Amino acid sequence: SAVISQKPSRDICQRGTSLTIQCQVDSQVTMMFWYRQQPGQSLTLIATANQGSEATYESGFVIDKFPISRPNLTFSTLTVSNMSPEDSSIYLCSVEVARGQETQYFGPGTRLLVL
Amino acid sequence: GQQLNQSPQSMFIQEGEDVSMNCTSSSIFNTWLWYKQDPGEGPVLLIALYKAGELTSNGRLTAQFGITRKDSFLNISASIPSDVGIYFCAGQGTGAGSYQLTFGKGTKLSVIP
Repeated sequence: SAVISQKPSRDICQRGTSLTIQCQVDSQVTMMFWYRQQPGQSLTLIATANQGSEATYESGFVIDKFPISRPNLTFSTLTVSNMSPEDSSIYLCSVEVARGQETQYFGPGTRLLVL
Repeated sequence: GQQLNQSPQSMFIQEGEDVSMNCTSSSIFNTWLWYKQDPGEGPVLLIALYKAGELTSNGRLTAQFGITRKDSFLNISASIPSDVGIYFCAGQGTGAGSYQLTFGKGTKLSVIP
């Protein structure tokens, strides 16, 4: 498996501000992903964080709102820009680990409340 | 897009009872994964299934990858209070972007001591 940490673990933010979430993995991984989990809901993929190139966004998510960086194979950031209360969610990063067969592991999540 | 139907949505069981939950899909998957999420935590991988028909156990947990590649079930035997949480199935598809996971809506398990 992979050990994944996220910072911050939680935050309360004012609307109109931005928050950058960091994801750190203990080993080099090719694939990193960012998910959103709205209160009481399942997980929805925001984007794939590609090392050395622009992230690949899913339908309904755009780079201006959720800019992503992936400077190396162990680190990524997700920024939630110009926040509104609807952005209150858990944001999770995950990594794909291929040791024989591919499996995705998740970080502990960042709990965001926008007032 | 692909959709997963996970059932039941929630369960209340007595400690010691067995539990079964399942997921079905309108399309095939190459991989089925089962996760558990405790309050305030990220999902933790329980079992990964890579082959149609595969039956895999992890302690009191048993999961199977359906022959049609469109369904999977998870069984928990002799439930204990720490089994409480939300269980998610996830399918990993085929073709372009096949690393992407599609999640079920979760089964919330409550265990009554």
